[in-house]
Amino acid sequence: DAGVIQSPRHEVTEMGQEVTLRCKPISGHDYLFWYRQTMMRGLELLIYFNNNVPIDDSGMPEDRFSAKMPNASFSTLKIQPSEPRDSAVYFCASSLYRGGNTEAFFGQGTRLTVV
Amino acid sequence: KQEVTQIPAALSVPEGENLVLNCSFTDSAIYNLQWFRQDPGKGLTSLLLIQSSQREQTSGRLNASLDKSSGRSTLYIAASQPGDSATYLCAVRPWTDKLIFGTGTRLQVFP
Repeated sequence: DAGVIQSPRHEVTEMGQEVTLRCKPISGHDYLFWYRQTMMRGLELLIYFNNNVPIDDSGMPEDRFSAKMPNASFSTLKIQPSEPRDSAVYFCASSLYRGGNTEAFFGQGTRLTVV
Repeated sequence: KQEVTQIPAALSVPEGENLVLNCSFTDSAIYNLQWFRQDPGKGLTSLLLIQSSQREQTSGRLNASLDKSSGRSTLYIAASQPGDSATYLCAVRPWTDKLIFGTGTRLQVFP
């Protein structure tokens, strides 16, 4: 398997524009996580899905953020409108539930810069 | 609320030293604990996963231990090398299934 695949790797956009980040989890994995990493706050969980259903979105900072998982092989994180404080690295991760043996695998991340 | 702390925040050592990185968590109700490595500008690479019923896991020069009752885990790196330079993150998976990360230890091993 190619691992968790995220696109784009880098995104530079102007304030106010819509940004869509994409993630393809490892085939067969039933959990998908979106994290944001900044120097100030470290890794923060934004939202996670189980079997394509959002389970906990309490980490989504504002209504400007939304995430979807239309099927088991694809998820998006959308920011609309984007703001400079959204600049961060966004990671997607997936795992397979095995009653505790649930190693998570991360993608390479999307570095978002909002100017 | 589960909180994960890593000490030290940064560490700089000469090549060849044996190292211990510490991770503590406040709630012992966890499925597992996972150690990751992150190189600058890169994603997270899983190093070791310890299930809640296990005491330790080993992979090559790495050994991770877990003491769930005291809320502590250590990552032991034997005979450190410059290639080990990276940030090391621990993450616990509580019964809510989401991974909660510590703030990381930035390690530099110099020749």
